[in-house]
Parts: sequence; C-alpha cells; structure tokens
Amino acid sequence: LAKTTQPISMDSYEGQEVNITCSHNNIATNDYITWYQQFPSQGPRFIIQGYKTKVTNEVASLFIPADRKSSTLSLPRVSLSDTAVYYCLVVNTGTASKLTFGTGTRLQVTL
Amino acid sequence: NAGVMQNPRHLVRRRGQEARLRCSPMKGHSHVYWYRQLPEEGLKFMVYLQKENIIDESGMPKERFSAEFPKEGPSILRIQQVVRGDSAAYFCASSPRPAQGPQETQYFGPGTRLLVL
Repeated sequence: LAKTTQPISMDSYEGQEVNITCSHNNIATNDYITWYQQFPSQGPRFIIQGYKTKVTNEVASLFIPADRKSSTLSLPRVSLSDTAVYYCLVVNTGTASKLTFGTGTRLQVTL
Repeated sequence: NAGVMQNPRHLVRRRGQEARLRCSPMKGHSHVYWYRQLPEEGLKFMVYLQKENIIDESGMPKERFSAEFPKEGPSILRIQQVVRGDSAAYFCASSPRPAQGPQETQYFGPGTRLLVL
C-alpha cells in the first residue's frame, strides 16, 4: 500500500489558486490517485481522480508527473467555502473497497 | 435522490452500554462500508458489507463490534459494552457496485458522532 505524504495545513486568501502537493513515492503500476474533501462535521466527498498527466473537472485539476511519485491538486480561485480538509489517497483494485485516509491537508481560506 | 443517511447524528452512551448506529445507503446501492475517524485523524476502514453478507471485516476490532446489512432495512454497526476509546465519528459509505476498482466511488454519509462518558 503506497504511503502518501501531504502538508498538514495551508492558508490562502479568497480568490487565489491553491495547490496541494501529495508525495507517493511507492506508487504501483495499478494505483490511481484520488482526492477527497471533508468539511467539518461531514463525510468525505470525492473530488477528482487520475492516473497520469492532467485531469480537470468542474471543481479542480489534478496534475500527475510522468514518474507518478507525486500529484498536485489545484483549486482555482478558492472561496471561504473551500475551507476543508483535503485527502490524497492511492487506490487500486485491491484497496478500493477499503479506502485509507491519512491526516490530510487542512486548508483555511480567509478574506 | 437522497444521499447516504445516518442516524443518529450524535449519540451519547455511558461506559458499558450498547451503541447502535444506522446507515441507509443511497437508493440503488447495495454495498455499504463503515469507517471510523478518531479526533484529528483520517478515516480508517472497518467493514464492507453487501446485502446479508459481510465481504471484508479486516478493519473491525475483534471484540464488541459487529455489523450487519439485512435484506430489508438499514445497515447497523453495533458496539457492545462501549468504552471511552470508542468515542469517534463513524461514517458509512455506499456504492452501487462493488468498489473493486478506482472508478467506483464511495459516497459518504454525514457520520454519527459517538461520545462515551
């Protein structure tokens, strides 16, 4: 199971772009990178998932370099409502039914 | 389409009592997963159930904890003789098919916060 490392916390002002980087040096060929968002007193919510290069959806972009040993979640123009904990997970067929969440990155957005 | 429902949202028990946590998956979902989150920590997998079957309980404590997902009704996570260390947020997730691949997303409920006095 590939271990992930991400910053404990980040601060940003409203309207800025936020990039959260996750390291997963031991990622395997069959592993995908998945990001979840968790607001206080709520369950995690799936944000985005990718295998390599770049993936974009209406919420975020995910950048994965060729060696796949790290990934960067990019949140464009954050607002106060993006204040949450963001989790980076490495998932494969064998672990997709039992997700493992680390401590995540606590993003605080202020005016 | 209602999301995953969990009740109660908050539960207070005294040491030695039993706690029953309920989870109603999203409509059309027959796969349920339970997770526990201790304060300031990430979620930890406990058990994966399909209707009337336990598929994977590798994360369940060996004693006092049990889970079921009957043919009719919600999934139940039962904790007998609770201790203070059981205080945590318990989250349920569901999926329409087995979450055996990265493309199969689990949808999480709002959680039940258990406090053991």
